[in-house]
Amino acid sequence: GNSVTQMEGPVTLSEEAFLTINCTYTATGYPSLFWYVQYPGEGLQLLLKATKADDKGSNKGFEATYRKETTSFHLEKGSVQVSDSAVYFCALSGFGNEKLTFGTGTRLTIIP
Amino acid sequence: NAGVMQNPRHLVRRRGQEARLRCSPMKGHSHVYWYRQLPEEGLKFMVYLQKENIIDESGMPKERFSAEFPKEGPSILRIQQVVRGDSAAYFCASSDQGSEQFFGPGTRLTVL
Repeated sequence: GNSVTQMEGPVTLSEEAFLTINCTYTATGYPSLFWYVQYPGEGLQLLLKATKADDKGSNKGFEATYRKETTSFHLEKGSVQVSDSAVYFCALSGFGNEKLTFGTGTRLTIIP
Repeated sequence: NAGVMQNPRHLVRRRGQEARLRCSPMKGHSHVYWYRQLPEEGLKFMVYLQKENIIDESGMPKERFSAEFPKEGPSILRIQQVVRGDSAAYFCASSDQGSEQFFGPGTRLTVL
């Protein structure tokens, strides 16, 4: 079955540092890949996505590239801000309206 | 355009009682998904419904849990005879055909 392995946290960085959160997956076929962000007490918000190999998803300074050869979808940001503090989830889905399979989440804390 | 709505946001039940969680999808969405998030864990898929039909319930516990999405009204996740292990955040997501899933704010269930 499908699975997502995500870098364990928590991760603490200083403001303006470079961020990488690793994510690898196991899936049959060609899944779509997602990063979701969860702020305290809230639901999940879609941060970015990629639907085929070599696609790059980007939003709010975050980027992730769909690497089929390494089955990875690592999240990066060049300069983090305090407001980026949240829990980040990597996820995948099969074709169409299928269930999402999530990683365990990475708690990110940015200190001024 | 209201997003996905869930109520109640917080629910406290004693062991053995019933819990009813409601989810109103975004306007125009006919697909609803329920996920459960245990403390410090990622989200786990429970059930996927379309209007009046259960499409995939592979993540639902076999006993005490049921879900419906009637022709009119919200989707309901029902947990009978709750136990302490049911304490979790329950998230609903909705989508249109072929589109991304949008998440609600969640219902946090506490079983005393």
